[in-house]
Amino acid sequence: EAGVAQSPRYKIIEKRQSVAFWCNPISGHATLYWYQQILGQGPKLLIQFQNNGVVDDSQLPKDRFSAERLKGVDSTLKIQPAKLEDSAVYLCASSPSTVAKNIQYFGAGTRLSVL
Amino acid sequence: AQKVTQAQTEISVVEKEDVTLDCVYETRDTTYYLFWYKQPPSGELVFLIRRNSFDEQNEISGRYSWNFQKSTSSFNFTITASQVVDSAVYFCALMEYGNKLVFGAGTILRVKS
Repeated sequence: EAGVAQSPRYKIIEKRQSVAFWCNPISGHATLYWYQQILGQGPKLLIQFQNNGVVDDSQLPKDRFSAERLKGVDSTLKIQPAKLEDSAVYLCASSPSTVAKNIQYFGAGTRLSVL
Repeated sequence: AQKVTQAQTEISVVEKEDVTLDCVYETRDTTYYLFWYKQPPSGELVFLIRRNSFDEQNEISGRYSWNFQKSTSSFNFTITASQVVDSAVYFCALMEYGNKLVFGAGTILRVKS
């Protein structure tokens, strides 16, 4: 079974530029998550989708971050404009549903460096 | 508010030593789940174990074992006879209603040959 796919693996941009990350979850997984992992910290949830609807985006900085999952499968996370403090690894995860206890399976992440 | 504390920032051991990674959590819920994930240098978080709040039985899987104690709000992870391949960052995480995972800061484990 294929895992969670993310691209690109690495991205370097200058502050105030825009960037987008892509995620393809495990086939059949209804729930998709985006996490931000700053160096030396644990991942922090940015947004959670159930199919193509948003379940939780309370920690998403909506003035600059946006995410969509239009067809309920793959998803895109965008930052516009980027700030220095956005340098982090952005992890995508998926699970079969929103039922508590579901295991979340993670991709390898996109490492973003903002200069 | 829910919180997970991994007080050990970094641990170094020599191969074949046993090592225990500590995890302490805070929650007001009576129903919750605890997880351990491993993050090797490749970056992908690898699921290791899930435990629900009603099951305090310790678990062993090969060289890995977990000790869950509700009385002290701890969910510790022990690797027996450590190997170089165990070198990674290990995260403890708490999940309450809504499937939201809250992670600790992680413990870097370095196993030297």
